[in-house]
This record gives sequence, C-alpha cells and structure tokens, in this order.
Amino acid sequence: QQQVKQSPQSLIVQKGGIPIINCAYENTAFDYFPWYQQFPGKGPALLIAIRPDVSEKKEGRFTISFNKSAKQFSLHIMDSQPGDSATYFCAASKGGFQKLVFGTGTRLLVSP
Amino acid sequence: GAGVSQSPSNKVTEKGKDVELRCDPISGHTALYWYRQSLGQGLEFLIYFQGNSAPDKSGLPSDRFSAERTGGSVSTLTIQRTQQEDSAVYLCASSFSGTSLQETQYFGPGTRLLVL
Repeated sequence: QQQVKQSPQSLIVQKGGIPIINCAYENTAFDYFPWYQQFPGKGPALLIAIRPDVSEKKEGRFTISFNKSAKQFSLHIMDSQPGDSATYFCAASKGGFQKLVFGTGTRLLVSP
Repeated sequence: GAGVSQSPSNKVTEKGKDVELRCDPISGHTALYWYRQSLGQGLEFLIYFQGNSAPDKSGLPSDRFSAERTGGSVSTLTIQRTQQEDSAVYLCASSFSGTSLQETQYFGPGTRLLVL
C-alpha cells in the first residue's frame, strides 16, 4: 500500500521555468512533510519541509504548498536552473524523528 | 563536521552469500534509520533505532534481514543468503532526536549492493 503518491515520474523544463511536483498522502496522522533532493550517486538531502499548520513555506527558490483538506502538497522551483536537475522525493512522517514514507520520486531535467 | 558515512560504497556478491553493510551516524545523533532504494523506486523504510529503545523492525522484508546498533552509534545491516532481488542501494540516515518536532534526517551516500 503506497501511502504517498508522487507525480509526475519525470519532468523536463527549460531554464527559468517553474517545475511543479505533486504529492498526495493517505494517512491523516502524518504531520511532517519534507522534500529531499538527490543527485546521482549521492544520498538524498533535505531541501525544505513543512508542517500542516501552514499552507505555504518558501526557502529561496523552493516553495512548498500544502492543502490539508485535500491531503496534498507540492514543490515549486522558481527560476529553475540546470543545477537543479536531480531526483526529488516527497515524504511524510508522524513527527520528523519517525520513519519517513517516501514518494516514488520525480526526475527533473532543466535544460539550458 | 563529518556527515553520515557508509561502507562499503559498493558490494558485489554471489547469490546465497551473507553481506554486512556498515553505517556511522553523525556524532551525537541518537536516531538511526536504514532505507532501501531499488532501481527507479522510492526509498523503502527498513528499520529504525532510537536511543536504547527496542528498534522498529516493521520494514524488514524478510527474516534474512537483520540489523544491530552497538553502543548507540555504529550500525550494521546484515542480509543472509542474499537473493538477486536484494540488489539495491542501502541508505542509512541519522537524526538528533531531541525535542524538536521538525527534525532532519541526514542521509549517507549509500551502499550499492549487486547480487549476481
């Protein structure tokens, strides 16, 4: 049973575009929603995270939008750059120090 | 400061052999996690250690998989009688596990296991 569904599987945008990656969760007990960025051959690294008491969080060019009633959250990358080309994973947990349930990942390619 | 380290970085083994994968968490982190990333898939939780509490083994796929954490620091994931479907990247993560509700899990680079 997949508790976090992520889409799209892959995404190609031009430099300066705004890729959007969507995730939906099922377990209403989840209260911590991080996004991880993974480059080939590396482990995932935390990009940005949100808790359900806010609807939006921005850190630099990265924004999480959160819709608690729809049980959905999304990542927006403003002014995307070729260096943003990576695989992005959404995740959810009950408290940040609990096991993470990951989406299946989105491979993003930002063309120059 | 050093991040999470894992060894070996790559491991090739024959079907039926046992393998041991090692994780050194960030110093001072009391929580340690193992995940598995199969080709083209997301990360799958395997096991979670929190301080001196009994580990959460709910993600281990079979009794061929086991893990231990000695002295609250280094952890070893053991896979007995490896099968080809065990081929994956095994990732270790650690977190501080203080009172913060928004706690970051820091991942190591992973061990790439190939079972022939």
